[in-house]
Amino acid sequence: LAKTTQPISMDSYEGQEVNITCSHNNIATNDYITWYQQFPSQGPRFIIQGYKTKVTNEVASLFIPADRKSSTLSLPRVSLSDTAVYYCLVVNSSIKAAGNKLTFGGGTRVLVKP
Amino acid sequence: KAGVTQTPRYLIKTRGQQVTLSCSPISGHRSVSWYQQTPGQGLQFLFEYFSETQRNKGNFPGRFSGRQFSNSRSEMNVSTLELGDSALYLCASSFEKPDRQFYNEQFFGPGTRLTVL
Repeated sequence: LAKTTQPISMDSYEGQEVNITCSHNNIATNDYITWYQQFPSQGPRFIIQGYKTKVTNEVASLFIPADRKSSTLSLPRVSLSDTAVYYCLVVNSSIKAAGNKLTFGGGTRVLVKP
Repeated sequence: KAGVTQTPRYLIKTRGQQVTLSCSPISGHRSVSWYQQTPGQGLQFLFEYFSETQRNKGNFPGRFSGRQFSNSRSEMNVSTLELGDSALYLCASSFEKPDRQFYNEQFFGPGTRLTVL
């Protein structure tokens, strides 16, 4: 199982772009990179998932280089409500192999200041 | 669609007691997973149920058990409670077609906050 490493915390200001880099050196061919967001006293919420290159949705962008050993979650123009913990996960894409088990690391605590 | 619901939201028990937590997945979701979240250990996978069968299990003692009913609702039980069992217990559900091979996004409930005194 590929382990992920991400910064423990980051501070930012409203309107800025926040980039969180995650390293996953042992990622396997069948693995996808997945990011979840968690607000205090709530369950995590899926943000974005990708395999390679760039994925963008209405919330964030995910950049994955060719070697896939790292990835960067980009949150454009953050607001105070984006203050949360962001988890980078490597997920085995095969349901048969791994079911729906998610292995969470420590996450990155992002604090957005006014 | 209603989200994942968990009951109760808060629970206080004493050491040695047992507790049952309930989870109702999103309509149509057949996979239900349980997680424990503590400040010290973070989010840890407990087990996953699919079509009333345990498909995956984490590294927790046998005091932690679960089951899933035919309507996909799930319960988890913790027997002989210990102080260290105090945690936020999260349930997550996901949709899975019978022929689908790949990982599906999981939708988490708000959790049950268990305090063991």
